[in-house]
Amino acid sequence: QKEVEQNSGPLSVPEGAIASLNCTYSDRGSQSFFWYRQYSGKSPELIMFIYSNGDKEDGRFTAQLNKASQYVSLLIRDSQPSDSATYLCAVNQAGTALIFGKGTTLSVSS
Amino acid sequence: AAGVIQSPRHLIKEKRETATLKCYPIPRHDTVYWYQQGPGQDPQFLISFYEKMQSDKGSIPDRFSAQQFSDYHSELNMSSLELGDSALYFCASSISGQNTQYFGPGTRLTVL
Repeated sequence: QKEVEQNSGPLSVPEGAIASLNCTYSDRGSQSFFWYRQYSGKSPELIMFIYSNGDKEDGRFTAQLNKASQYVSLLIRDSQPSDSATYLCAVNQAGTALIFGKGTTLSVSS
Repeated sequence: AAGVIQSPRHLIKEKRETATLKCYPIPRHDTVYWYQQGPGQDPQFLISFYEKMQSDKGSIPDRFSAQQFSDYHSELNMSSLELGDSALYFCASSISGQNTQYFGPGTRLTVL
């Protein structure tokens, strides 16, 4: 059974702080790693994707991948109240369906 | 940029009725995935299509069927609806050979 694990939270951070979200996966054959943001009742919105070990930065977001540890993380710098949402970690192999974690709820207080 | 289009956005049905959900992928995307998300749950994969052929199958009930048409749009047909089918249904599209999937706005199905 391929699994993706996330802490459900809630993760609470003050406005302007760094939010750190973590994810582990069980399938070593996983090739691609994604972070989606989902507001309540809305569809998952792609925030970041990463394929190679190391860090990938895009604006206030940094994704980190460690395939040896089967670990993916997302850092959100200068957190804003609008970042309050559920963050879904997802993995897949080429052309296959996404396997999602159960999501981490982030709350950013102003 | 054009996104994935789903229709209808909301649907209310009675038990044992049928429903058809439609998905129009991003232009030039040839692969479509269907996911079901129950309340408080993560999205669960149902079925996918590439070039009008079923490419993978997940936890799709036998009461459900789907197909992809020549213009790459896809339809999810749901019969003998049950209360437990009430959920958000998302379609996602991608380009074959690329792993990134983009989600549509979803259809909220309520079965009464």
